Amino acid sequence: DAMVIQNPRYQVTQFGKPVTLSCSQTLNHNVMYWYQQKSSQAPKLLFHYYDKDFNNEADTPDNFQSRRPNTSFCFLDIRSPGLGDAAMYLCATSGISTDTQYFGPGTRLTVL
Amino acid sequence: DAKTTQPTSMDCAEGRAANLPCNHSTISGNEYVYWYRQIHSQGPQYIIHGLKNNETNEMASLIITEDRKSSTLILPHATLRDTAVYYCIVTDSGGSNYKLTFGKGTLLTVNP
Repeated sequence: DAMVIQNPRYQVTQFGKPVTLSCSQTLNHNVMYWYQQKSSQAPKLLFHYYDKDFNNEADTPDNFQSRRPNTSFCFLDIRSPGLGDAAMYLCATSGISTDTQYFGPGTRLTVL
Repeated sequence: DAKTTQPTSMDCAEGRAANLPCNHSTISGNEYVYWYRQIHSQGPQYIIHGLKNNETNEMASLIITEDRKSSTLILPHATLRDTAVYYCIVTDSGGSNYKLTFGKGTLLTVNP
């Protein structure tokens, strides 16, 4: 089945140690999104790619970066994780022929 | 994006219909109503969306009032697996490059 895959499902990192989260999709969708969801809160959009065009949300901290080397893959880089960056990170995709966003299962990040 | 108002929580008996209301009194003419749900520790899942007309799919029905200022998501025969946070989101679906702004949602608990 076509899907959105996130690896790893659980990631533990140390305070200040860079970490990369991965998302891949088999849907061949043009748009890929990264959301942050802290405990008991709603998902919050960090940024998205429309093909290779990167669109950052105004309030996304500079500590968060993203790369999209090809249609299938998108990475979230956290350059210097702080304790406040502990959260579930959700990847989603959408395509030209659909209005629906398809979400992956998320990666839960713990910062020690 | 227009804002939405949803009850914080609702209960429903298993096998009965669950009716989840949403107010979006400031919705504009080109904005759609989307419903997503998030089961605990999973990524959000698309349920249904509509513009003016009522919509039905294999998961649910969406009833939109004539003035479009409110809507109701109906799960016709709720099961325990429908326990989740349900998000009503209003957004401009101009092509595929649209953004979801999640509110607090409604925690639906389906009881045996």
